[in-house]
Amino acid sequence: AQTVTQSQPEMSVQEAETVTLSCTYDTSESDYYLFWYKQPPSRQMILVIRQEAYKQQNATENRFSVNFQKAAKSFSLKISDSQLGDAAMYFCAYFSNTGNQFYFGTGTSLTVIP
Amino acid sequence: GAVVSQHPSWVICKSGTSVKIECRSLDFQATTMFWYRQFPKQSLMLMATSNEGSKATYEQGVEKDKFLINHASLTLSTLTVTSAHPEDSSFYICSASRGGTGFQETQYFGPGTRLLVL
Repeated sequence: AQTVTQSQPEMSVQEAETVTLSCTYDTSESDYYLFWYKQPPSRQMILVIRQEAYKQQNATENRFSVNFQKAAKSFSLKISDSQLGDAAMYFCAYFSNTGNQFYFGTGTSLTVIP
Repeated sequence: GAVVSQHPSWVICKSGTSVKIECRSLDFQATTMFWYRQFPKQSLMLMATSNEGSKATYEQGVEKDKFLINHASLTLSTLTVTSAHPEDSSFYICSASRGGTGFQETQYFGPGTRLLVL
């Protein structure tokens, strides 16, 4: 069964610094997608970044970038120049085209220290 | 663009009553809508996937007779919790995708509905 693991329940970062959130997944599929979602205190889920497994290039969105290691089944999120508004729960998610299954990880709570 | 609303944002009801939650895509047509449940300080659990005009696909372990989903139009899906009990108390979140029927499309999430069953 596919699983998504976020081993860091809580993380903190100093404002303007860089932080990396880890995510690993288990799959036997080759065609899949990976996502990072942010859930701020308002509870509104927001897509941060997505990565197609067939793409070797790591996805980037402004201050957010991923380190996608397909062989290691690792998909970490790097937040550069952290801002107070980045404080939220971050969920890693996996989707397989083959099985049409979608899984969220358990989340990492990020605190940004002024 | 790509705004999804939910109504109500919170609801308190007595045990045994039914509660309907609406999910609307305000500025786009949503081919597929998804319903999730989130317990406090936990991750989201996918309950079901609904496509406009067809029956919803429920995840394993989710009672379809308990959680009725209707996707009547390309902008509206409803989740009805029938004969609600205290254990149904939770945060219910819907999401919608613009095109396609799979999760590879970007999902746009609603703000969620907090249900408390007394």
